[in-house]
Parts: sequence; C-alpha cells; structure tokens
Amino acid sequence: EPEVTQTPSHQVTQMGQEVILRCVPISNHLYFYWYRQILGQKVEFLVSFYNNEISEKSEIFDDQFSVERPDGSNFTLKIRSTKLEDSAMYFCASSEVIRAGEETQYFGPGTRLLVL
Amino acid sequence: GENVEQHPSTLSVQEGDSAVIKCTYSDSASNYFPWYKQELGKGPQLIIDIRSNVGEKKDQRIAVTLNKTAKHFSLHITETQPEDSAVYFCAASTWVGGKLIFGQGTELSVKP
Repeated sequence: EPEVTQTPSHQVTQMGQEVILRCVPISNHLYFYWYRQILGQKVEFLVSFYNNEISEKSEIFDDQFSVERPDGSNFTLKIRSTKLEDSAMYFCASSEVIRAGEETQYFGPGTRLLVL
Repeated sequence: GENVEQHPSTLSVQEGDSAVIKCTYSDSASNYFPWYKQELGKGPQLIIDIRSNVGEKKDQRIAVTLNKTAKHFSLHITETQPEDSAVYFCAASTWVGGKLIFGQGTELSVKP
C-alpha cells in the first residue's frame, strides 16, 4: 500500500541553524501539507501546497519557514533559523483531492526535531 | 477563529466495553470530519470520516455521528480490544483540500 515517507526520523540541531525536513508524498497525490505537534499538544496546521504554490498557511508559518517541491517526488520544509520553540514532531501529509469524497489526508511517520 | 474541542483527554475502559469520544467545532462552514488514530511513534492514521451530508457512518466496530445543528460529532468504538489503545484525534475541514483543524486528542486505554 502506498504511504507517505519522511526523513530524517529524528533531527537535533543548534538554535539558529537551518534544517530541511524531507517528505515523499504518495505518487498520484496533488495536495501536500505540513503539520506539527509540540509534545503533549494538538496537531497544528502549518502550510498546504498545490500546483507548485502555497495554497494556505497558518500564522505559525512565518518568514522563517519555506516549502519546496524540488522535483516530482520530494516535498521539503525548511526552517531558516531554528528557535527553541520549533522543537516538535513535524508531519507531512498528502491528499489525492479530485473532488469531495477524495480528500483524505494521509500522514507520514513524522520527523522529531529537537532544537538545543 | 476556527477551533475544535475534544473530550475527554483520557479514557480508560475494560476490554469489551464501548468507548465514546466527543468533539465540537466552531466554524459552521466545516463539512468534513475525519478521525485519526495515533500509535506511539507513528503518524496519525485515518480510521473513519464523515461528511456533512451524512448523519452517521459505521465501519465494523467503529461509528461516527454528526450533529450539524449543534456542531458536534462523536466517535463510538464498540467491543473494545487492547489493540484499540492509542491516541485518537478528531479534525474538521471546511473545503476539499483544505487544512485540518485538530482536536486536542484522547488517550484511550483498553484494559484486558
């Protein structure tokens, strides 16, 4: 069964460093998402991406964040200058979304980011 | 703003009992309501979803009900088993392809 994959599974970085989190969405999917989950809190939406551009973004997704689909398979989240509060589990999701009834979002296993 | 509230935060049941988790949402434009199960160290996995044109949906031991007037929806798990133990999240979305707004999660523990 196709699944969303993410690398790395864990990342430790120093405050102020740049990190890139990578995702490979399910191959025929058209919508891509990043969410994050701070330990013990709810899953929060960061950004959605469709047709090579940002479709929607949250207040969390400020200028320190960027997303890219550098090729036909990868979808990346870059944090330019990490802060302590960026420590969280980051989930990538993808969705086929042709019409109502096909909007299920499939989540990857996550990347646990720890900023020291 | 958009918000989804979920209760209870923890739920402990005996194997074979039923479990009910409830969510309320604030945005009346919400029309898609998925439920996810998250096991330790894994990403959320969809277990069932419901759209606003339906009041109830069932899949074996799992059912979801939706009350659009009251803006709440519930997950019902019958004949619970130890492998049902996990964190369950409700979510809501207002348009096809739109972001999911998640509830706080319910940690379900099923005791053998």
